[in-house]
Amino acid sequence: LAKTTQPISMDSYEGQEVNITCSHNNIATNDYITWYQQFPSQGPRFIIQGYKTKVTNEVASLFIPADRKSSTLSLPRVSLSDTAVYYCLVGLYYGQNFVFGPGTRLSVLP
Amino acid sequence: NAGVMQNPRHLVRRRGQEARLRCSPMKGHSHVYWYRQLPEEGLKFMVYLQKENIIDESGMPKERFSAEFPKEGPSILRIQQVVRGDSAAYFCASSQQPSVNTGELFFGEGSRLTVL
Repeated sequence: LAKTTQPISMDSYEGQEVNITCSHNNIATNDYITWYQQFPSQGPRFIIQGYKTKVTNEVASLFIPADRKSSTLSLPRVSLSDTAVYYCLVGLYYGQNFVFGPGTRLSVLP
Repeated sequence: NAGVMQNPRHLVRRRGQEARLRCSPMKGHSHVYWYRQLPEEGLKFMVYLQKENIIDESGMPKERFSAEFPKEGPSILRIQQVVRGDSAAYFCASSQQPSVNTGELFFGEGSRLTVL
């Protein structure tokens, strides 16, 4: 069961780039890295997923080094509406081994 | 295509009563997962169901909790004889496939249970 570690909280200002790093030293060969975003009183929402190197979509980028023991979620030019909790998960199958830790609480300030 | 639908959004029960939470997965999704979230904590896996079958209930308390996903109709998470510690947000999620690289996991908006 790959455990993830990420900062409990981060602060940023509008317009800045935010990088949230997640450590997953015990990641298995077949595991993917998936990030979710959760706003208060809402269910988590998928942001991005990757296996290795770099993945980019319209919302974020995900950087994964060659050893895959960590990953970094990059949010370009954050706005107040990006204030949320961000979860890093590692695994191949949904269910008991797809573990949501405490996440990183990002606060974007004006 | 409607998302994952959960109801009720809010439910208040007194200790000892029963709570029934319903979840309709996204159209075409046969894999359903229930999670519980306490305030300021991450989501904790409870149970994984696929039409008419419980695949993994390792995260569900052995007593008072049960889940089903019948051939017709929504998935139901049932909590009997509720206690104050059951107060939490219960999230349902669904996927088309069970593996993360073949389909996204979609969450509902949650059902918030308050036990008085």
